[in-house]
Amino acid sequence: AIQMTQSPSSLSASVGDRVTITCRASQGIRNDLGWYQQKPGKAPKLLIYAASSLQSGVPSRFSGSGSGTDFTLTISSLQPEDFATYYCLQDYNYPLTFGQGTKVEIK
Amino acid sequence: EVQLVESGGGLVQPGGSLRLSCAASGFTVSSNYMSWVRQAPGKGLEWVSVIYSGGSTYYADSVKGRFTISRDNSKNTLYLQMNSLRAEDTAVYYCARDRAYCSGGSCHDPFDYWGQGTLVTVSS
Repeated sequence: AIQMTQSPSSLSASVGDRVTITCRASQGIRNDLGWYQQKPGKAPKLLIYAASSLQSGVPSRFSGSGSGTDFTLTISSLQPEDFATYYCLQDYNYPLTFGQGTKVEIK
Repeated sequence: EVQLVESGGGLVQPGGSLRLSCAASGFTVSSNYMSWVRQAPGKGLEWVSVIYSGGSTYYADSVKGRFTISRDNSKNTLYLQMNSLRAEDTAVYYCARDRAYCSGGSCHDPFDYWGQGTLVTVSS
């Protein structure tokens, strides 16, 4: 199975900060990657698919990039509602695998 | 409006069985790929299984041979039959619609709608 490694596992940031989360695949996965946001007690929410496509209704401060093995989720200006845990998911092949998550906390 | 509502979770003894349901509205389950994803308490997300619109199924190695994904087209409902349950199967189970598509030689599986989750606890 493809392993997805996210970094950092957690970070502290302030409102207005630019935040970058990375995800590395154990083998090349083209652009077959999505990013999800999860708040405590809630279901995950799709943010980005196909590495860089913004899901409908998601604010434009979220963006994704990368291809092959290295991917990035960027939040250009962190807002109070963005404090959550973020997961990458490779959909290159089965079994689909998630990264371990990155918790974004308030500084 | 698209909605997914899971049910069927609860407390079950090791070795026991449980069937989860995911009732869909606002779209047709049989026309879409549908997946189950689980999350152990305090842990990350783990993909469990998918059923294609054509009926093909795939499973995570951790549940292969014990879990079965299926659907009832007349009820527009997705199921997960879980047998030989283990303590490590304890988790919140989510169903999700997989808006699978292919473009430019690549195929993608964005999970665009999720249910609220149902908790399965395996314990004696």
